[in-house]
Amino acid sequence: DSGVTQTPKHLITATGQRVTLRCSPRSGDLSVYWYQQSLDQGLQFLIHYYNGEERAKGNILERFSAQQFPDLHSELNLSSLELGDSALYFCASSASGAPYNEQFFGPGTRLTVL
Amino acid sequence: ILNVEQSPQSLHVQEGDSTNFTCSFPSSNFYALHWYRWETAKSPEALFVMTLNGDEKKKGRISATLNTKEGYSYLYIKGSQPEDSATYLCASPNQAGTALIFGKGTTLSVSS
Repeated sequence: DSGVTQTPKHLITATGQRVTLRCSPRSGDLSVYWYQQSLDQGLQFLIHYYNGEERAKGNILERFSAQQFPDLHSELNLSSLELGDSALYFCASSASGAPYNEQFFGPGTRLTVL
Repeated sequence: ILNVEQSPQSLHVQEGDSTNFTCSFPSSNFYALHWYRWETAKSPEALFVMTLNGDEKKKGRISATLNTKEGYSYLYIKGSQPEDSATYLCASPNQAGTALIFGKGTTLSVSS
């Protein structure tokens, strides 16, 4: 158990809908990262938050947004969902967001868009 | 090299075989090189974070080396066991050091 929690574990929804994925980092970790893993793709970095502030953005679609709250939990909002958004979404946390900090991954949320 | 690249994509060995995989990463503006182990139906777990050229790290039968000047790292598994079956990912921070860029991984299958 990495200490990172993600909810829900599975989510099935229809095209055009909006969903929110939630992540709680390990106790004491200030950085939260979101990744997407689709079929035949590696882990794609989406966004990084550090202590409530956005620190880096990857290939995140404009239909997706995220935030980190004062208690350090984070939410990833996916809207106007398309079939191609079906994927495994991971959240990871690290102590300070420094590039030499190892990242601890949550169990992931499997999103299926029908 | 602009991306993190891993080879081979997959590997099948017999129990007891030793094996190794390669990770190539951008050598300019180097911060660190990460190795993660990802078992089926689980989430990735960190194996090593390496920061110095010539660094060697070891955890049990698994070890890794790092060459930052030429931009590659090797992961070695000695005497592979079925429980070593997993996808091994390497990752390098982006230019700003604010995100990890992952390779597509090497999937290892060990038969008993």
